[in-house]
Amino acid sequence: NAGVTQTPKFQVLKTGQSMTLQCAQDMNHNSMYWYRQDPGMGLRLIYYSASEGTTDKGEVPNGYNVSRLNKREFSLRLESAAPSQTSVYFCASMTVTNTGELFFGEGSRLTVL
Amino acid sequence: GDSVTQMEGPVTLSEEAFLTINCTYTATGYPSLFWYVQYPGEGLQLLLKATKADDKGSNKGFEATYRKETTSFHLEKGSVQVSDSAVYFCAPHNFNKFYFGSGTKLNVKP
Repeated sequence: NAGVTQTPKFQVLKTGQSMTLQCAQDMNHNSMYWYRQDPGMGLRLIYYSASEGTTDKGEVPNGYNVSRLNKREFSLRLESAAPSQTSVYFCASMTVTNTGELFFGEGSRLTVL
Repeated sequence: GDSVTQMEGPVTLSEEAFLTINCTYTATGYPSLFWYVQYPGEGLQLLLKATKADDKGSNKGFEATYRKETTSFHLEKGSVQVSDSAVYFCAPHNFNKFYFGSGTKLNVKP
């Protein structure tokens, strides 16, 4: 089972460049999430999608946009990358139940120079 | 808003030592409570969970009890192994959102 697949795993950008992180899950989950992980700060929620066709802001949405393309895919776009967006990004998905478990991808390490 | 506080790390223990990682939370209503673990170079994975007051979650020798009166969910293990070296995250879940603690790094020495 593939679970949650993120691409790319590593990316280096220059300030001002744009890029899209792709995420796909094959578990038929309704909810999908994008987090960033920074040293000493745990995981912070960027955006989430409770179901296909809906997206909502999390704690740190500034500088990002998302698209829930279909039930399987949830992409994260940086329109004009900044050094402050250097981080490890994790996509996750969850079943529809309120006591559901999050399933994480392996992460995407982004460096903005 | 909801939030969670974890004890700061790193925590360094010898193999077979007793482990406690403290976690307290603030939340509206009655969240479900989770502990996630992140091994080096990997994403997070569920370690254990508890969905209501006084429930005890357990897995791989780890345990945590949902204490509503103290809003706590402390993680314990009686005898740690080198393979338990990882970062541990406490995470209340409420209204379709997870609130992650800052993580506690555990180093277990042989």
